[in-house]
Amino acid sequence: DVKVTQSSRYLVKRTGEKVFLECVQDMDHENMFWYRQDPGLGLRLIYFSYDVKMKEKGDIPEGYSVSREKKERFSLILESASTNQTSMYLCASSSGGQGIEAFFGQGTRLTVV
Amino acid sequence: AQKITQTQPGMFVQEKEAVTLDCTYDTSDQSYGLFWYKQPSSGEMIFLIYQGSYDEQNATEGRYSLNFQKARKSANLVISASQLGDSAMYFCAMRDLQAGSARQLTFGSGTQLTVLP
Repeated sequence: DVKVTQSSRYLVKRTGEKVFLECVQDMDHENMFWYRQDPGLGLRLIYFSYDVKMKEKGDIPEGYSVSREKKERFSLILESASTNQTSMYLCASSSGGQGIEAFFGQGTRLTVV
Repeated sequence: AQKITQTQPGMFVQEKEAVTLDCTYDTSDQSYGLFWYKQPSSGEMIFLIYQGSYDEQNATEGRYSLNFQKARKSANLVISASQLGDSAMYFCAMRDLQAGSARQLTFGSGTQLTVLP
């Protein structure tokens, strides 16, 4: 089974802290994604990566950065956490083929106080 | 740019009845894929069903079927014989399949389905 693992289910951080969200997949997928989920807005893409050390901005990259040093790991970084970044964060991975669905991690619910 | 619209924030259905969750999309791409995901209260995203834009037959997976109407740009999910465990948030999503295209999924805002006993 494909497994995408996010390092934390719940996180509480203070405003201004630097926050790292880690994601690891075990199926050698080329593509990895970070989404943010908010009520009524669905999932919105923050950043994605289609290869090691490659990254592309999604729809809402402001206030975030990412790192992909190894194929299996994709990190989301909040440089200086703010209360409007309180949200559910979902990591996903997929292979490069057509019609292949993305597999998701269990999500990290981040609260910034 | 791609856009997915789910106009039903919440839906109720009686156990054992069928229910249709609406999804319309907008894209200028010729080759694309449409997906439905289920998200229970536990939070994980579960893939349900996929339809390619050039597939002539509507996709089916067990109790799930996708009513694909390309000219109307709709991809509604039909769940037959609803079960209490079907209560969840449902997301419609799409992806461009053309070579060299971006690989991300674009999601709708979701429909919260509640199955009543």
